[in-house]
Amino acid sequence: EVALVESGGDLVQPGGSLRLSCAASGFILSTYEMNWVRQAPGKGLEWVSYISKSGDNIHYEDSVKGRFTISRDNAKNSLHLQMNSLRGEDTAVYYCARDLGKSSAFDIWGQGTMVTVSS
Amino acid sequence: DIQMTQFPSSLSPSVGDRVTITCRASQSISTYLNWYQQKPGKAPKILIYAASSLHSGVPSRFSGSGSGTEFTLTISSLQPEDFATYYCQQSYISKYTFGQGTKLEIK
Repeated sequence: EVALVESGGDLVQPGGSLRLSCAASGFILSTYEMNWVRQAPGKGLEWVSYISKSGDNIHYEDSVKGRFTISRDNAKNSLHLQMNSLRGEDTAVYYCARDLGKSSAFDIWGQGTMVTVSS
Repeated sequence: DIQMTQFPSSLSPSVGDRVTITCRASQSISTYLNWYQQKPGKAPKILIYAASSLHSGVPSRFSGSGSGTEFTLTISSLQPEDFATYYCQQSYISKYTFGQGTKLEIK
């Protein structure tokens, strides 16, 4: 079965760091572009970051640029999001999502991992 | 950045109703528009990609149309399992942005 499973969410103080991981199963990660999307409590979806199949093309949402780093380990079928200098407004459920390859639609999503930034 | 505006923000239709949700882009995005459904506590699910292509396994009562700046998602005959929040997403430029969502609530 095709699936994505996120991990690494936690309660962290403002200014702290966290590394999220996303494990892929049932498909070869290296053949897909990948994204992170977040959703603050009670709010809508917000795209966070994109990474190409080989990792040589990366994009970020403006508010996380310079603080977050997306990466992938195709040999281990995993995706990561390193989050530094965390702020209260980063509090959200973070989803990894697979790019369908058509219209950059996200066809497979993980269950999400909760990141809470609070003192 | 491209802004996506959805309307209405909420709707209270009845089972069997035809429902239309509109999504407007701040600039032309051709047909680089996708639609998702999200239920409480769950991850979103893709419904429509490239404005009008129905994703595999999605019921045919869902359809999408539009190009340029104005797009619609239509549910031809609302079913009980369709009460959820719907989001549009532009994929024209790599800073993908979502609309703010349209919540379908049971009347």
